[in-house]
This record gives sequence, structure tokens and C-alpha cells, in this order.
Amino acid sequence: EAQVTQNPRYLITVTGKKLTVTCSQNMNHEYMSWYRQDPGLGLRQIYYSMNVEVTDKGDVPEGYKVSRKEKRNFPLILESPSPNQTSLYFCASSLESGGTEAFFGQGTRLTVV
Amino acid sequence: AQKITQTQPGMFVQEKEAVTLDCTYDTSDPSYGLFWYKQPSSGEMIFLIYQGSYDQQNATEGRYSLNFQKARKSANLVISASQLGDSAMYFCAMREGLLTGANNLFFGTGTRLTVIP
Repeated sequence: EAQVTQNPRYLITVTGKKLTVTCSQNMNHEYMSWYRQDPGLGLRQIYYSMNVEVTDKGDVPEGYKVSRKEKRNFPLILESPSPNQTSLYFCASSLESGGTEAFFGQGTRLTVV
Repeated sequence: AQKITQTQPGMFVQEKEAVTLDCTYDTSDPSYGLFWYKQPSSGEMIFLIYQGSYDQQNATEGRYSLNFQKARKSANLVISASQLGDSAMYFCAMREGLLTGANNLFFGTGTRLTVIP
């Protein structure tokens, strides 16, 4: 089954404690991206990757890092999480950057206290 | 300026009736794509329908159709014969620069649709 898998689904952590949210897709997609969803703001892009070892900033990259060492994986790293990073995070992939459909992961609800 | 504007925070529709969810967009790029996604209470994002800026006909997918009015820069989603399972948050999104390898999907703030039995 074609899917994008994020882990964990829910996470509560403390300020400053480094964390990683994993994202994996099994569709051999080149393009992957991370979004955060906040009430009243819709989804905003954090980082994207057009292929292995190619990543770039989206609209709200501050406080986040990503890596793309393999095509299927695109982890999101919060080196020093802060409460304003409490949000619902989505990973997405598509066949190409201009693709007609983005497949989304199930979402990760992160709370930073 | 907002790239995508959804002016209806919430909508109600009677079961089996049709409903239109509004979406306007702002771009100067001639090559762009418009998307609608559904987000049920479980939280996942479900792709519904896509319209390319050069597509001559309005996109349709089952009970979903996209009323694309290019001159007005609107891309309204029409859901026919509403079902209780259509109750969800709906997001309109746009990707610019399709011919140059666009990288960002701009989302609206969403419309919460409630279908009344």
C-alpha cells in the first residue's frame, strides 16, 4: 500500500530537549516536504527536499532542521524545541515538485512544555 | 497578500444537498495548480481534486467538482449530494511555477463543513 508514515503520532516533550520526527514513503517519490498546521493559519511549509541531499527552506524554517540521506526518508529535527513549536506536523511526498498530488502522512501532534 | 483565501470559517449543509466551498487565490504566475484537501476529525489530509491553470475543463472527481473561474481567480469546491461523512475541514491549496519546478504548496485557513442529518 502506498503511504507516507510518520512517527511518533503524538509527542509531549520539554523545552530544549532535542527530538526527531521521522517520515518515510514507499512510493519512490523525489519530492518531500514538512508542514506545520496551526489553528487559523492553515498549513505552512517548513522545509522541502527535491531529491537526495537537496533540501531547502520553506516559509517557516526557524528552529527546524532536516536531512535527506535516502530517497525514502525525510526526518524533521528540532534541536532545541520551544513551546511555540507546539503544533500538528505533516510530512508529504509527491512524484515531482510540480506533481498533481501530494500524499500526506498521518500527522504528528507535538506539545512542548 | 494571502496566496489562498477561504472566507468561510464554517459551513452547514443538509444531507443530500449540494454545497459550495469558496476559494480565491493570488498569483501572477501563469502556470499553477489548485488543490482541495479534506481533513476529517482523525487528522489525516486526504487529497480530493486538482485543477491545472491550463486545463480547459473544470475538474471533477465523483461527487467533487471544482468551479474554476480563472479571470476571477477562484477555485470553489462543489460537493454534490452531501453525506454525513463529508463533515470535515476542507483546505484549498495552490502550487505556483509548475513549469519551473515549484516547491511550495500554499494553503488557505480552511472551512469546516458540517453535514446535518
